[in-house]
Amino acid sequence: DAGVIQSPRHEVTEMGQEVTLRCKPISGHNSLFWYRQTMMRGLELLIYFNNNVPIDDSGMPEDRFSAKMPNASFSTLKIQPSEPRDSAVYFCASSPYGQPQHFGDGTRLSIL
Amino acid sequence: KQEVTQIPAALSVPEGENLVLNCSFTDSAIYNLQWFRQDPGKGLTSLLLIQSSQREQTSGRLNASLDKSSGRSTLYIAASQPGDSATYLCAGSMNTGFQKLVFGTGTRLLVSP
Repeated sequence: DAGVIQSPRHEVTEMGQEVTLRCKPISGHNSLFWYRQTMMRGLELLIYFNNNVPIDDSGMPEDRFSAKMPNASFSTLKIQPSEPRDSAVYFCASSPYGQPQHFGDGTRLSIL
Repeated sequence: KQEVTQIPAALSVPEGENLVLNCSFTDSAIYNLQWFRQDPGKGLTSLLLIQSSQREQTSGRLNASLDKSSGRSTLYIAASQPGDSATYLCAGSMNTGFQKLVFGTGTRLLVSP
């Protein structure tokens, strides 16, 4: 079991740049979740997919954020344009539908 | 909006102590509850989960309980060890599956040898 794989592990970029975070869920898991963790707000659910379809994106903070899941084995979270307040750790998690989630090790994003 | 508070925010104890971490929800209408452990630079590892029909779960030295009427949960750690040092997060699901989790603020635990 390879677990949920996120890339990159660390990203440092200048404000205004486009940032793309990637996630490979555990094979066979048909639910995928994107979270953001900050000191101020803790861990927040941004969006989740079931069977590659976005179900709830109410946690996406602004139109600058977008997420896609083109197939069952890959998802991206994109920020364009990025701002310093987007600096956080972004986690991806996956699960069989309705079952407990398995988390990746996260992407630590710093926007200068 | 559901808010989840964990008390204490930080805890430092000597090895061998028994300890209790607390979690409370502003909206007690939660279906399932999980306790997670987070090590520095790592993701979350699920420790215990209490499903809607249950009141408590035990795994080794860990015991978690849920009082739905009050919206409170506790995580009991017996005979703490330095390897237990981590941040502990509780999370409630607001629907029947484990889909939409609302996380607590976390308790940072340090167990000294």
